[in-house]
Amino acid sequence: NAGVTQTPKFQVLKTGQSMTLQCAQDMNHEYMSWYRQDPGMGLRLIHYSVGAGITDQGEVPNGYNVSRSTTEDFPLRLLSAAPSQTSVYFCASRGIYEQYFGPGTRLTVT
Amino acid sequence: TQLLEQSPQFLSIQEGENLTVYCNSSSVFSSLQWYRQEPGEGPVLLVTVVTGGEVKKLKRLTFQFGDARKDSSLHITAAQPGDTGLYLCAGDSGGSNYKLTFGKGTLLTVNP
Repeated sequence: NAGVTQTPKFQVLKTGQSMTLQCAQDMNHEYMSWYRQDPGMGLRLIHYSVGAGITDQGEVPNGYNVSRSTTEDFPLRLLSAAPSQTSVYFCASRGIYEQYFGPGTRLTVT
Repeated sequence: TQLLEQSPQFLSIQEGENLTVYCNSSSVFSSLQWYRQEPGEGPVLLVTVVTGGEVKKLKRLTFQFGDARKDSSLHITAAQPGDTGLYLCAGDSGGSNYKLTFGKGTLLTVNP
């Protein structure tokens, strides 16, 4: 049972480049979400999904896209990277009373 | 907008000391979760409290949910260096969107 997996672990992008952060879970959870974590700001919700085909915006959605074609996968796309998107990104998968986080992707945009 | 205030923001203590971390809100939550995060890793769930007044113990850690379900506390007895990390609380307001409200965390350092 792998739980929540994320790839890559580290990534460096130049301003304007695009990329996809991958997230997968094997717990058959309907609810998945993406957060970014910045010093002094805590965890902020980017996008979330309550099931395949259903996504919605969180607190800081600008510059990010998501899709949910299967229960297992919830990729996060950066359309045109900006230095303000330098952060640590966490994917999470949730049951009724528990939420599990992936190991994170540390992204630097230069 | 629901907010969760955690205090203190930073805590540095010696091994063997006791400590309490607080998580407060003006909003009512259907449940509240506590996580610990170590450097370079994702948050790991420690406990979920659901009932007002509930107390849960996890070895040397004691978690309490306030009677009104607006606040919670985490008490660590005889802290050890392995307890070092960022402690986060997260409130669930209920409903079908499953969104959690996170506090900004308490960074605990336990010195040997």
